[in-house]
Amino acid sequence: AQSVSQHNHHVILSEAASLELGCNYSYGGTVNLFWYVQYPGQHLQLLLKYFSGDPLVKGIKGFEAEFIKSKFSFNLRKPSVQWSDTAEYFCAVYTGTASKLTFGTGTRLQVTL
Amino acid sequence: GAVVSQHPSWVICKSGTSVKIECRSLDFQATTMFWYRQFPKQSLMLMATSNEGSKATYEQGVEKDKFLINHASLTLSTLTVTSAHPEDSSFYICSARDPATGGSYEQYFGPGTRLTVT
Repeated sequence: AQSVSQHNHHVILSEAASLELGCNYSYGGTVNLFWYVQYPGQHLQLLLKYFSGDPLVKGIKGFEAEFIKSKFSFNLRKPSVQWSDTAEYFCAVYTGTASKLTFGTGTRLQVTL
Repeated sequence: GAVVSQHPSWVICKSGTSVKIECRSLDFQATTMFWYRQFPKQSLMLMATSNEGSKATYEQGVEKDKFLINHASLTLSTLTVTSAHPEDSSFYICSARDPATGGSYEQYFGPGTRLTVT
């Protein structure tokens, strides 16, 4: 069965610091990969997605992620975080085999001023 | 972009009663909707996949007689928690796929419903 691991459970950064959140999945076939963000009190929003093509995908609000197939990874990055980036971040994978999204446990990002 | 709404946003009910949660796709027709449950500080766990005009597909361990799902139209799916107990208290989130996006498996999420059973 497919699974998703997010190794960082809680990350605290100062404004302007660089961000990298890890995401690894376990599935040997074709995958569709997503990063969702959940701001406090709000619903899940799509940050970015990868289906095929260029493994470096750019999303909203300056976020990007790189799909490294050999490492089964899809890490999320942002060169300079802002206080408004404080939120919960979820990595998710979709495979045709399972026909469902499987979410990681989430990473809580706290950005301090 | 595609918008999914849920109603109510929060509900408190007494143990033993039933409560219905609605999920609507506002600007697209969703042949498939999904129901998730999110515990505090945890990830989303898929409960079931709701298909318009057919029976829902439940994930392993989810009681289909307790969590009744109806997807009667292309814009509405409902989740009814029957004979609710305090352990059913949770945050329930629905999502929907827009078939117009073709091969995209992107899901659009509703704002969630906080259920508290007393």
